[in-house]
Amino acid sequence: EPEVTQTPSHQVTQMGQEVILRCVPISNHLYFYWYRQILGQKVEFLVSFYNNEISEKSEIFDDQFSVERPDGSNFTLKIRSTKLEDSAMYFCASSAGGTTVRKFFGPGTRLTVL
Amino acid sequence: DQQVKQNSPSLSVQEGRISILNCDYTNSMFDYFLWYKKYPAEGPTFLISISSIKDKNEDGRFTVFLNKSAKHLSLHIVPSQPGDSAVYFCAARGETSGSRLTFGEGTQLTVNP
Repeated sequence: EPEVTQTPSHQVTQMGQEVILRCVPISNHLYFYWYRQILGQKVEFLVSFYNNEISEKSEIFDDQFSVERPDGSNFTLKIRSTKLEDSAMYFCASSAGGTTVRKFFGPGTRLTVL
Repeated sequence: DQQVKQNSPSLSVQEGRISILNCDYTNSMFDYFLWYKKYPAEGPTFLISISSIKDKNEDGRFTVFLNKSAKHLSLHIVPSQPGDSAVYFCAARGETSGSRLTFGEGTQLTVNP
């Protein structure tokens, strides 16, 4: 079965630094998402992306966050100035359609902000 | 955000028996419900879903039941296997929330040989 891949698997950064988390969605999917899970908490929606623009975002996704599809295969999440509370597991997901219920998740990137 | 709640953080069953995982929700605008399974160091993997217009969906050993009046759904795994040991997440999609999924806290299922 095709899969979503994410790099790096673990990212350690200093507070205030910028980080870019990378994802390669499934090749024929058109809708892309970022979710995160802070340790011990729920998986939370961050943002959805379609046709090179954000289609929906949560209240978590503030001005410190941005997403981009820089080429035909990658989908990135940038955190401009990381805070301690940004430490979490970040999951990328993709789906064939916007109303498609089933989303395919990547293995996640563990972000640790020191 | 308490819209989707899984009240049991863990569940332990014997191999071959039935596992029943429960999920409650509060938002009557949810129109689709999903169950995901997650192994350590992996992302959530889709298991089964159910539309709000149905009350049951079955796929092999997995059956999801939806009780709309009670705002409750459950996942039944029969027979349970040791490989089913994982964290199970209930998730819901709202009619008006676009494509976003709202997740429950997860239940750690352990199936003992």
